Amino acid sequence: DVKVTQSSRYLVKRTGEKVFLECVQDMDHENMFWYRQDPGLGLRLIYFSYDVKMKEKGDIPEGYSVSREKKERFSLILESASTNQTSMYLCASSLFRGGANVLTFGAGSRLTVL
Amino acid sequence: AQSVTQPDIHITVSEGASLELRCNYSYGATPYLFWYVQSPGQGLQLLLKYFSGDTLVQGIKGFEAEFKRSQSSFNLRKPSVHWSDAAEYFCAVPGGGADGLTFGKGTHLIIQP
Repeated sequence: DVKVTQSSRYLVKRTGEKVFLECVQDMDHENMFWYRQDPGLGLRLIYFSYDVKMKEKGDIPEGYSVSREKKERFSLILESASTNQTSMYLCASSLFRGGANVLTFGAGSRLTVL
Repeated sequence: AQSVTQPDIHITVSEGASLELRCNYSYGATPYLFWYVQSPGQGLQLLLKYFSGDTLVQGIKGFEAEFKRSQSSFNLRKPSVHWSDAAEYFCAVPGGGADGLTFGKGTHLIIQP
């Protein structure tokens, strides 16, 4: 089975801090995604990447950046955390571009910004 | 743009009773359709998917879903729910770039003893 690992399950940070959320997948998937999940809003796409060093903005990229230096790793960066970025962050990966893809998700990283 | 609507935010079902969760989609072509489940504090797990062929799709944990093109629906069903089915359920269609998915807002399933 594909495994997507988010190294930090729970984080508490202060306003203005720089935050790194790490995601690693172990099955050579091309695509990787970062979603944000909030009650009543469902999942919203922040950024995605279809190749090493490639990144594309999703629906809500403001306040976030990403890095994909290796195929298996996709990092989400909050340059200066704010309280409205308190949320559950979900990383996902899928095999290839084109056609219908099954996304495999990590367990999530719950971030609280004080 | 493709979209998914889950009309029910919360549903409460007694243990052992049948379940149907609704999903309506807006999609330009023949859709690919997915149902995911999220247990408390966890990520999303694929329950089942429809790509083509038989419109009744079987998934894991005893769930099934039926694609009805005329109603633009892909409702999830289970004949008899268990307390462990209490979770958040998401319907999804392709969208969001790089062949990702666009999700509905989810239905929270509560199981009564």
